[in-house]
Amino acid sequence: QVQLQESGPGLVKPSETLSLTCIVSGGSISSYYWSWIRQPPGKGLEWIGYIYYSGNTNYNPSLKSRVTISVDTSKNQFSLKLSSVTAADTAVYYCAREFEVRGLDNDYYHYMDVWGKGTTVTVSS
Amino acid sequence: DIQMTQSPSPLSASVGDRVTVTCRASQSIGTYLNWYQQKPGTAPKLLIYAAYSLHSGVPSRFSGSGSGTDFTLTISSLQPEDFATYYCQQSYSIPRTFGQGTKVEIK
Repeated sequence: QVQLQESGPGLVKPSETLSLTCIVSGGSISSYYWSWIRQPPGKGLEWIGYIYYSGNTNYNPSLKSRVTISVDTSKNQFSLKLSSVTAADTAVYYCAREFEVRGLDNDYYHYMDVWGKGTTVTVSS
Repeated sequence: DIQMTQSPSPLSASVGDRVTVTCRASQSIGTYLNWYQQKPGTAPKLLIYAAYSLHSGVPSRFSGSGSGTDFTLTISSLQPEDFATYYCQQSYSIPRTFGQGTKVEIK
């Protein structure tokens, strides 16, 4: 079955750019949406954004000015860049697949059905 | 942004109890509502999608209901492995938003 694995530096200095990659194994990256979600220590989940395999993106407006999500279909992976980080960006970062299914009412429903294990990123000098 | 508000938090219960977690959206979202379970140190797991559809492999003691602005997640008979934090999430619009989480604790 499809598995996701996040990778990247665990420590980033303030004002620098956080860069993470999510490798998709056991299936193709094509025909799906791929998301990034984060969870600050002891807090809830925050959606960062997603990318369709074709390259179309949607970002959380609260982070949009600092976020770039990209996809490399040849490597079956997608990436997150978050610029100008501060201590408030310290969190566990998860990648996930956002699955789309057509309901009996012909509407399209989305849900995150496969998640990576998460990677902890600390912003500190 | 659509705000998602869960109650109660936390929730104290015993093994065998019937447990209900409530989620309210700040505007109508139809049935574009998903539920996740998260245990400490692990990633969230999908339980319910589209308000009431059980994800593959999820035990049948979990069920979801509701539409519009009010939704519930019910565990019919709480098992030891169900002690965890539960999140609702709307997929009606961008940005996707989550509730603050409901921690189900041992009574």
